Amino acid sequence: KTQVEQSPQSLVVRQGENCVLQCNYSVTPDNHLRWFKQDTGKGLVSLTVLVDQKDKTSNGRYSATLDKDAKHSTLHITATLLDDTATYICVVGDRGSALGRLHFGAGTQLIVIP
Amino acid sequence: EAAVTQSPRNKVTVTGGNVTLSCRQTNSHNYMYWYRQDTGHGLRLIHYSYGAGNLQIGDVPDGYKATRTTQEDFFLLLELASPSQTSLYFCASSDARGEVFFGKGTRLTVV
Repeated sequence: KTQVEQSPQSLVVRQGENCVLQCNYSVTPDNHLRWFKQDTGKGLVSLTVLVDQKDKTSNGRYSATLDKDAKHSTLHITATLLDDTATYICVVGDRGSALGRLHFGAGTQLIVIP
Repeated sequence: EAAVTQSPRNKVTVTGGNVTLSCRQTNSHNYMYWYRQDTGHGLRLIHYSYGAGNLQIGDVPDGYKATRTTQEDFFLLLELASPSQTSLYFCASSDARGEVFFGKGTRLTVV
């Protein structure tokens, strides 16, 4: 059974608009949650990591929230650029060390159009 | 910056063929992983390793072997490739805190 569900599956926005990506999960324990950006033909690049029970992070135009009680995270992208076109992947780690397992969502494909 | 290099980047082979995917990391990380990524699925763990000579079975190991020859090098072997193994393969390495660094991927097509 899929333990990390992302929505929407795909999203098209116009350059300059804001967008919100959702991640719901059932992984237990849920030590941390990461958002990755995957450009076509490239590997996954970490955008942010959330750790606390109710956490918020900000990294330039990317901001994210985590609510461990609801097992829910959001990734906000402000003032989108054409280079934001990519797949965004939510990953839940069950430990805070390399001994833990990572649980991957299938990703949200974001397309930014002029 | 952490570096994970995969080769080849693209590979086409025939059903029943023998394929080796290579991965090298220069991060001095002990932990290395092989994942496959398919449309509609998250990355799925094939095999992983805690260090040279160590091998652990992941979640989708059938049809794959792996070998960790040195701390830097981790290989994925498909000895009788099948069309179901057509996929995008990622290698990754991890530090002790669990921060993961990915290679750029190898696209394998089995015809």
